[in-house]
Amino acid sequence: AQKVTQAQTEISVVEKEDVTLDCVYETRDTTYYLFWYKQPPSGELVFLIRRNSFDEQNEISGRYSWNFQKSTSSFNFTITASQVVDSAVYFCALSEAYSGAGSYQLTFGKGTKLSVIP
Amino acid sequence: DVKVTQSSRYLVKRTGEKVFLECVQDMDHENMFWYRQDPGLGLRLIYFSYDVKMKEKGDIPEGYSVSREKKERFSLILESASTNQTSMYLCASSLSGPYNEQFFGPGTRLTVL
Repeated sequence: AQKVTQAQTEISVVEKEDVTLDCVYETRDTTYYLFWYKQPPSGELVFLIRRNSFDEQNEISGRYSWNFQKSTSSFNFTITASQVVDSAVYFCALSEAYSGAGSYQLTFGKGTKLSVIP
Repeated sequence: DVKVTQSSRYLVKRTGEKVFLECVQDMDHENMFWYRQDPGLGLRLIYFSYDVKMKEKGDIPEGYSVSREKKERFSLILESASTNQTSMYLCASSLSGPYNEQFFGPGTRLTVL
């Protein structure tokens, strides 16, 4: 069965610090997809990034970067020079390529609450 | 702009009432999902649907049912609300396929008294 672990329940950083959110996953499939979502205080989850299991290239988007390492089953998310607007709950999620049903479920981690203090 | 809307942001109901939570998406997505979100437990899948009139149980379907009569609309029904169903309910939709991201609605915070 697939599983996603976000060991950090809450993190607080001072503005402009860098912060890394950890995500470790378990799956038996060789083809799978990893996602990060952001849930700001307003409540609506926002998709940030998707990575497939065959693409281990790191990704950078502005202050955000993602490090995918199959060897350690990790897909970590780093925010550089954090800002107050980054305060949110961040979820890592996993989707396997082969599902018994006609749809594809996302398995979410429990989330990491990031507080950026001015 | 893609959009998932939910009928209410906040809802207060009494124990034993029948509760309907409505979700509508305007993206012609095949898949629709209902989750509940509780502190410390993350998002847990209640039900999902991959086509009109098709539904599959998620991880915690007990006490809930769903209806999908039209592609754009997915309803979550609490047949007899109980206090342990007080939670944030999130609806999502996606295109078919494991690589497609889910788009979420703003959530409904349901309180059962």
